[in-house]
Order: sequence, then C-alpha cells, then structure tokens
Amino acid sequence: DAGVTQSPTHLIKTRGQHVTLRCSPISGHKSVSWYQQVLGQGPQFIFQYYEKEERGRGNFPDRFSARQFPNYSSELNVNALLLGDSALYLCASSLGRNTNEKLFFGSGTQLSVL
Amino acid sequence: ELKVEQNPLFLSMQEGKNYTIYCNYSTTSDRLYWYRQDPGKSLESLFVLLSNGAVKQEGRLMASLDTKARLSTLHITAAVHDLSATYFCAVDIVPGDSWGKLQFGAGTQVVVTP
Repeated sequence: DAGVTQSPTHLIKTRGQHVTLRCSPISGHKSVSWYQQVLGQGPQFIFQYYEKEERGRGNFPDRFSARQFPNYSSELNVNALLLGDSALYLCASSLGRNTNEKLFFGSGTQLSVL
Repeated sequence: ELKVEQNPLFLSMQEGKNYTIYCNYSTTSDRLYWYRQDPGKSLESLFVLLSNGAVKQEGRLMASLDTKARLSTLHITAAVHDLSATYFCAVDIVPGDSWGKLQFGAGTQVVVTP
C-alpha cells in the first residue's frame, strides 16, 4: 500500500516568491495535517483538515494557507517567501475517526528560500 | 503556552547499555506520542500512550506515561547501532482532540557507538 506521498521532494525558491506543496494521504484517510520542521528542531503544527474543512491552525502568518480536495489530497501554499521559511514541510494523514490512531507522515518537501 | 521538553537533547550510547529519554509536558493531555526520525527521513510512529500508567514495549524500546507528573519516558535496553536516530515526543495541542494537531518536543539525538 502506498504511504503518504508528497511532492515535490525538493524545491528552491527566492524571497518573495510563492510556493505550492502537495500531499496525497494514505487511501481511506480523511484527515491531513501539515507541519514545518526547521533543521535541528521538532515539527511545528501548521494546519489540519478533515473532510475538506479546516479543523485547526497553528501559529503561522496568513502567508500560509491550505486546502483539502474531494479526494482528500491537500495543498499547502506559502506566499511572499522569507528566508525563514526554509524548512522541511511534512504532511501527515490519519483516518480521523477515533482516539487511538497515530499519524502517518510523508517523506516531506525540503524547501530552500534564497 | 504549551511546552514539551525533552532531555537530554543529545545522547551518546554505548552498545549493550541501557538509557532513558525523558519527556515533560505542560498540558493536561492524557495522551502522548513517540516518534523516530532517521537523518533525512520522515517521522515513524513508535508508540501512542493513551492513559495514565500506560506502558508499551517494542523490541528494545519501552515507553511509559505518568499523566499526574506530566512525564513520559522512553527506555532503551541494550542499545544497538540500529537505534541511532532522533526521537521525538509529542502531545495533543488541544487535550482530548486527537485530530492530528500535535506539539512536538525538540527531539533527542541518539548516537550508538561500539
């Protein structure tokens, strides 16, 4: 079975540009979460979507936005990129139906902002 | 502000010896998660601890949870090289809400040497 897939795997952008990151959850999973992991730190929660609705947002500026599609895949958009946005962006999926489940993480998109 | 603190942040282990990683958190959450991350890789779920006194074991790893002390421990028995990785603990940002919104600790980098 395919796990959580993210694209692209690596991306280089310059300050001020816009970026779109994509995530396909495990088949049957309806919940998708996004995390930012700066080198040497733990992941920081950005967004969570379930059944195409935003269920939570972390402490990130409005430059960050996301959405979930009818097939439960998701996009994370970041506008007006800053150097500090350079990080590994992780997508995680889960069934979203009970309290005993764990998150399954994708391999991430490594974003470098120059 | 929710805080999740791990210690130590770096742990040099000798093969065959036992070690413990500690995770303290400031929320009233009764659920705690442990993840492993290999260099350049994504996060792999190790344990989901669902209640006070929960203990889970997998191979040389054993995790426990004391919700009254807001403390979880990850015990490593007879360390082997394959356990070299960064270990993260995490709690639900909103206690009782397990929809994929987690607050991670900074991680404990483990290096196992002969």
